[in-house]
Amino acid sequence: DTGVSQDPRHKITKRGQNVTFRCDPISEHNRLYWYRQTLGQGPEFLTYFQNEAQLEKSRLLSDRFSAERPKGSFSTLEIQRTEQGDSAMYLCASSSRPYDDEQFFGPGTRLTVL
Amino acid sequence: AQKITQTQPGMFVQEKEAVTLDCTYDTSDQSYGLFWYKQPSSGEMIFLIYQGSYDEQNATEGRYSLNFQKARKSANLVISASQLGDSAMYFCAMREKRGYQKVTFGIGTKLQVIP
Repeated sequence: DTGVSQDPRHKITKRGQNVTFRCDPISEHNRLYWYRQTLGQGPEFLTYFQNEAQLEKSRLLSDRFSAERPKGSFSTLEIQRTEQGDSAMYLCASSSRPYDDEQFFGPGTRLTVL
Repeated sequence: AQKITQTQPGMFVQEKEAVTLDCTYDTSDQSYGLFWYKQPSSGEMIFLIYQGSYDEQNATEGRYSLNFQKARKSANLVISASQLGDSAMYFCAMREKRGYQKVTFGIGTKLQVIP
């Protein structure tokens, strides 16, 4: 059984560098979500894809952030010109039904910006 | 106003006892869903239970039950027969409006089960 996987699990970068994270959802899931979680907080919604279409974006997703899901399978989240405030756990989740369903989360990518 | 409020930063419970984790929510929507997730120290979010706003009965999943009081806008999680493996962060979350996918999480409650 392959759940949601994320790569890398940890990323340390210097301020100003670009970083890219990958998420591979559960294979039959057409819905994919990105969240950010900072220390002591719950996850905050960033963006949502249905297949390859990005249908919803949070205002948290500044112009330095971009997410793609080119073929409706895996997704990438890129942060350009990283800032120390970007340090967080970035969580990906997927689901197969639109409503009343659980979202299956990946293990997350922990980003540290020095 | 906070959409999801969890007022217990930390809770202790004796092994095999029941524990209630509080959650209140704020929405003007008639249709919404409420979730509870568990996050162990490993970091992965684990779905526990779901309650729809139109569900008349409280949701139950094994040792987990959701005490849904719609008029009071509360959705407390009850864990029966606590186990050491239940020690984790617990997050209450809400999805508002059918057709929207955004889920809003609370700040969580850290539960520690004492042997």
